[in-house]
Amino acid sequence: AQSVTQLGSHVSVSEGALVLLRCNYSSSVPPYLFWYVQYPNQGLQLLLKYTSAATLVKGINGFEAEFKKSETSFHLTKPSAHMSDAAEYFCAVRANAGNNRKLIWGLGTSLAVNP
Amino acid sequence: NAGVTQTPKFRILKIGQSMTLQCTQDMNHNYMYWYRQDPGMGLKLIYYSVGAGITDKGEVPNGYNVSRSTTEDFPLRLELAAPSQTSVYFCASSPPGRSTGQGSGYEQYFGPGTRLTVT
Repeated sequence: AQSVTQLGSHVSVSEGALVLLRCNYSSSVPPYLFWYVQYPNQGLQLLLKYTSAATLVKGINGFEAEFKKSETSFHLTKPSAHMSDAAEYFCAVRANAGNNRKLIWGLGTSLAVNP
Repeated sequence: NAGVTQTPKFRILKIGQSMTLQCTQDMNHNYMYWYRQDPGMGLKLIYYSVGAGITDKGEVPNGYNVSRSTTEDFPLRLELAAPSQTSVYFCASSPPGRSTGQGSGYEQYFGPGTRLTVT
C-alpha cells in the first residue's frame, strides 16, 4: 500500500540550530509532495509543495525541501530554528489512483525548539 | 475569502446523541474532505467529495454520514455518538487545478477544526 514515513515522531533542536525533518514516500506515479505545519489548536497550513518542477522547493517561514527521486525522500529543512517553529509537521503525497485528489499522510513529527 | 470555515469549534456530546459538523468553503473548490485527528495517529480520511452530489467513503466512515448538495457546503453527520468518536475533526478543500504541469492542485486547504468529546 502507498505510504509516507516520517522518521522521528519527536525532534528537538536548539534555537538557531538546523532543523531537519525526514520524509520518505512511496508512489507509482510521478509524486506530488507536500509539507504542512500545524500549530497548537489550529488547522493544517501548507508550508510548501513539489509538483515536478525544481527539486529544491522553498516555502514559507524560511523552510525548504529537496525532492530526491533516487532516495524517494522529501526532507524538510530550515537553517536556523526559531521558537515560533515549534509545531507539528506533516508530510503528504498524492494518492496513486483515482480522480479524487486524495493525499496520503505521514503520522507527523512534533518539533520542539529549546531556548 | 474566508477560506474553509467549520462550526462549532468545540462540542461535548453524550453517548447516543447526534450532531452535524458544518463545513463551508468560499473558494469554489470541487474537492472536499473530512478527516479526524487523534494523538499520534495522524489524519484519517472519513469521507470525501469530488463535487456537488458526489460523495464517497474514506478509511474510517463507520458512524458518520455526509452530504454535498452545494459546492460550498460539506456537512458531516454523527449518528448515535460513541466515545470512540472523541477526536478533532478537520474539513479541507482542494481546487480543481490543471490536469498536468506545475501547480496542478492537489494541495488541500484546512479549516480550524472541531474538537468533539463524547462522554
